[in-house]
Amino acid sequence: DTAVSQTPKYLVTQMGNDKSIKCEQNLGHDTMYWYKQDSKKFLKIMFSYNNKELIINETVPNRFSPKSPDKAHLNLHINSLELGDSAVYFCASSQAGTSGGDTNEQFFGPGTRLTVL
Amino acid sequence: SQQGEEDPQALSIQEGENATMNCSYKTSINNLQWYRQNSGRGLVHLILIRSNEREKHSGRLRVTLDTSKKSSSLLITASRAADTASYFCATLSGNTPLVFGKGTRLSVIA
Repeated sequence: DTAVSQTPKYLVTQMGNDKSIKCEQNLGHDTMYWYKQDSKKFLKIMFSYNNKELIINETVPNRFSPKSPDKAHLNLHINSLELGDSAVYFCASSQAGTSGGDTNEQFFGPGTRLTVL
Repeated sequence: SQQGEEDPQALSIQEGENATMNCSYKTSINNLQWYRQNSGRGLVHLILIRSNEREKHSGRLRVTLDTSKKSSSLLITASRAADTASYFCATLSGNTPLVFGKGTRLSVIA
């Protein structure tokens, strides 16, 4: 059974377009995340979200926005795509987020490779 | 922001040898976690060590934590070709999300 799934796996698009990446988790977790992994494999958190709070990495352009229709989904919308947005985007989830008593072990999706031409 | 730094960046060993990777971080932590990423895949959680622990084992994995030096090491014993992957440490501090290091690329040659 897939725990965290993402679609599409590959996304090739032109500069200036708007696109979305979908993420679903069937683990019953409270918190979901989006990460960007660049060509040097550096993994940078973009957003963390539960039903109480959205935490945004301040370095993320406002062209990126997370949308959560329900607890099991956190989709990533990207407007006006730029060449520098090309990367692999990972969705992840954890049980209870970032409070001090939790481990915050994260479960990752398989990634979406975005290529902007 | 705090970030783990893995060392070395890349490591190549023969099958059967042990592989040791190190991680250093900057501020106090609640726990430190190690993840593996196979090529083209998402990260997979391997092992977690809490700030009040010094060593943990899981199968062929051994993790140590030295909070005085703000460092951790991951030892993979009797490595196999299937261990070839990138390994990341991640630290949890207070109410901030996990922060990942840049990873160590391990190649195990059969």
